[in-house]
Amino acid sequence: QVQSVQSGAEVKKPGASVKLSCKASGYTLSGYAMHWVRQAPGQRLEWMGWINANSGNTRYSQKFQGRLTITRDTSASTVYMELSSLSSEDTAVYYCARDPYGYKWYFDLWGRGTPVTVSS
Amino acid sequence: QSALTQPPSASGSPGQSVTISCTGTSSDVGGYNYVSWYQHHPGKAPKLMIYEVSQRPSGVPDRFSGSKSGNTASLTVSGLQAEDEADYYCTSYAGSNNVVVFGGGTKVTVL
Repeated sequence: QVQSVQSGAEVKKPGASVKLSCKASGYTLSGYAMHWVRQAPGQRLEWMGWINANSGNTRYSQKFQGRLTITRDTSASTVYMELSSLSSEDTAVYYCARDPYGYKWYFDLWGRGTPVTVSS
Repeated sequence: QSALTQPPSASGSPGQSVTISCTGTSSDVGGYNYVSWYQHHPGKAPKLMIYEVSQRPSGVPDRFSGSKSGNTASLTVSGLQAEDEADYYCTSYAGSNNVVVFGGGTKVTVL
C-alpha cells in the first residue's frame, strides 16, 4: 500500500526542538519531493518548506528560516522535519505531503499528520 | 506570505452543485497555473482533488472540476453526495520566495 507513515504525537516545552519523521511506504522516496505543512487549531493549512529527496536541496518559508531543518535519509526512505525554539504558537498538526514532480507544486499523497503540543 | 481567500462555508442538497472560489493575486493564482484543491475530512489525511487548475487525479470522480479566471480559481462539485461533506482547501504556487500559499478552507455541508 502506497502511503507516507508519520511518527507519533509529541509534547514539548517552550524553547525545545522537535524532530518528526515521514517514512515512504510502497514508493521510492528519491523519486519525489516532500513538503511539510502544518495546521494550528482553528487555523488554515500553512506551508513550511520542502526537500528534493533525490538531491537533498531544500527551500523553507521565510517565516521559518533559521529554525526549520528538513533532511532525508534515502536508505531509510524517510524525511525528517526539525523545528527549534518552539513556542505555544507551534502547537499544530504537522503533515508531510508528497510532490510528484518538485516543480508543479501539488501534493498527491499526504501523511495522516503528527500532533505537536507545546506547553510548559 | 499572502494567503488565498475562500468563503468559510458552502452548502447544497444532494444532487445539487456547489462552487467554491479561491481568490489570490497576480503573484500567485493569477500568475501561475499551479492551483490545486484538497479535500480534508478531520482526522484524516488531506486528499488531492484537482491539480494544475483543472486536472483531476485518477480515482477522483468527474463530479469535481476546477477552473480559473484571472486571480480567482474555482472548484465545482456537481451532483453533491453525502461523502462530499468536508473541508476544501485551495493552494497556489507563489513564486520562488513565497513558494506555496493556502486558502483558509471552505466547509462544505450537504444538507
